[in-house]
Amino acid sequence: AQSVSQHNHHVILSEAASLELGCNYSYGGTVNLFWYVQYPGQHLQLLLKYFSGDPLVKGIKGFEAEFIKSKFSFNLRKPSVQWSDTAEYFCAVRAWNDMRFGAGTRLTVKP
Amino acid sequence: SQTIHQWPATLVQPVGSPLSLECTVEGTSNPNLYWYRQAAGRGLQLLFYSVGIGQISSEVPQNLSASRPQDRQFILSSKKLLLSDSGFYLCAWSPGQGAEGYTFGSGTRLTVV
Repeated sequence: AQSVSQHNHHVILSEAASLELGCNYSYGGTVNLFWYVQYPGQHLQLLLKYFSGDPLVKGIKGFEAEFIKSKFSFNLRKPSVQWSDTAEYFCAVRAWNDMRFGAGTRLTVKP
Repeated sequence: SQTIHQWPATLVQPVGSPLSLECTVEGTSNPNLYWYRQAAGRGLQLLFYSVGIGQISSEVPQNLSASRPQDRQFILSSKKLLLSDSGFYLCAWSPGQGAEGYTFGSGTRLTVV
């Protein structure tokens, strides 16, 4: 089965700073890639997804992610974070019926 | 539209007692269904998934079991809870075909005392 690694456990940024959260996976076949977000006290929600085509995908709330196949990476980015982006972010990789999640990165944005 | 219901939201159970968590999906048919456990700093651990009635795949051998008695119903059970079963349990569904993302339920916070 595939595995997913998120590099940062906790990231603390000031508002307007740029964000990049790392995600690497290991799997030899075709995968679909996702980023989920969990705001405090809320459900996990889909932020963005990559299936095929343009490796740069845009999601909700100004987030984007780039799939680099040669590096098995799918890093999440946002040019300027807001306090409301404080949440936990999960990278996920799906192969067939099997979705595996990373350990999550907690993002704290200071006002 | 499709919705997923999971209950109860919180549960406190003594060690050795049985467990039954229920998850149902509305507005779709033949969904793939999943049980995950979320632990702080460890992300989401896949426990069970099901691609059809009576079809259960177990990812982690442990004190839990799952059943799918109906197309849109997925139940997580235990005969005797352990302290280590405490955690946050999430049910999720995805379309039976294709490679869409998952839609998660609101979760159940289980505390075994």
